[in-house]
Amino acid sequence: DSGVTQTPKHLITATGQRVTLRCSPRSGDLSVYWYQQSLDQGLQFLIQYYNGEERAKGNILERFSAQQFPDLHSELNLSSLELGDSALYFCASSSRGGSQETQYFGPGTRLLVL
Amino acid sequence: GNSVTQMEGPVTLSEEAFLTINCTYTATGYPSLFWYVQYPGEGLQLLLKATKADDKGSNKGFEATYRKETTSFHLEKGSVQVSDSAVYFCALSDTGGFKTIFGAGTRLFVKA
Repeated sequence: DSGVTQTPKHLITATGQRVTLRCSPRSGDLSVYWYQQSLDQGLQFLIQYYNGEERAKGNILERFSAQQFPDLHSELNLSSLELGDSALYFCASSSRGGSQETQYFGPGTRLLVL
Repeated sequence: GNSVTQMEGPVTLSEEAFLTINCTYTATGYPSLFWYVQYPGEGLQLLLKATKADDKGSNKGFEATYRKETTSFHLEKGSVQVSDSAVYFCALSDTGGFKTIFGAGTRLFVKA
């Protein structure tokens, strides 16, 4: 158990809909990362937050947005969903988001868009 | 830009065989290098890491050495077990952009 929690575990929705994925980092960790894992694209970095502020952006679509709240939990919002958004979405956390730090991954949210 | 290239899988070995999974990278500066492992149905977890050239990371019998001259971070284990069956990801984290780049992953099957 990494100490990172993600909800929900599974999500099934329809094209055009909007969903929110939630992540609680390990106790004491200030930085949160979001990743998308799909069969064709592999593991793609989406975005990183540190103590409530966006720190780095990766291959995140404009239809996707995220935020980190004062209690350090984070939410990833996916809107106008398309079939191709079906994937596993992982959240990870680390102490301060430094490049040498280990990232601790949650169990993931599996999203299926029908 | 930064990138990580791993050998394609799947890799199938018999128990107690020697394992090598190749990983090479392209990066500016001095990135940190990681191997993460993903067991079926789980998230990734750190296997080992190295933060500067010539460092050797090791854990659970796995080893990898940060080779700047060949831009490589190959994963090795002397004797694999069935329980090592998983997907292995090589990753780098650059010092400037705070982004972590993962390789495509290599699936390992170990037969009893």
